[in-house]
Amino acid sequence: DAKTTQPPSMDCAEGRAANLPCNHSTISGNEYVYWYRQIHSQGPQYIIHGLKNNETNEMASLIITEDRKSSTLILPHATLRDTAVYYCIVNLLLLSGNTPLVFGKGTRLSVIA
Amino acid sequence: DVKVTQSSRYLVKRTGEKVFLECVQDMDHENMFWYRQDPGLGLRLIYFSYDVKMKEKGDIPEGYSVSREKKERFSLILESASTNQTSMYLCASSLGEGRSGANVLTFGAGSRLTVL
Repeated sequence: DAKTTQPPSMDCAEGRAANLPCNHSTISGNEYVYWYRQIHSQGPQYIIHGLKNNETNEMASLIITEDRKSSTLILPHATLRDTAVYYCIVNLLLLSGNTPLVFGKGTRLSVIA
Repeated sequence: DVKVTQSSRYLVKRTGEKVFLECVQDMDHENMFWYRQDPGLGLRLIYFSYDVKMKEKGDIPEGYSVSREKKERFSLILESASTNQTSMYLCASSLGEGRSGANVLTFGAGSRLTVL
């Protein structure tokens, strides 16, 4: 599985966009990019995933570069409740013999009032 | 909403005790997972299961076993608890393998186990 690199921590002002980068320079052609977050004392929560195209849902947008070596998760209007650890994970579809998701250390995002 | 329910939020056990951590999901998911989370080490996969009565070892299966007799229930068993198994244990589930939702995990709230 490809590994990812994320900054250990970031700050963002409340109401501004939070842009969380992730480097996955060794990603293979059939690996997806997944984003999860974990708010303190809770289990991780799925946010979004993508393969090649940019994706948007009610929580966030995912921008994947054309060469797929990096991506950015965008929270368009960060609130204090978005303070969490954000995990970027690269993985194949889950099949027999494939490894399930491996969570790294993520980025600790602090949204500041 | 998919719900993954872990039976106990907090447990305190003694060294050598047999410990059962129960997890139940209500959305007919085929896949279920057990992770543990420790400060500085992140989430580590213990065991997972693609289907009833099937189990696969994760990265750190030593000292643990699992049971999946029914599709909705995945139990983690510590045969003889030790102090180094003090941790937060997280259960998750997802749709069947090979499907686009297979890596979209829904997690429970976690079970914090302390072994004295």
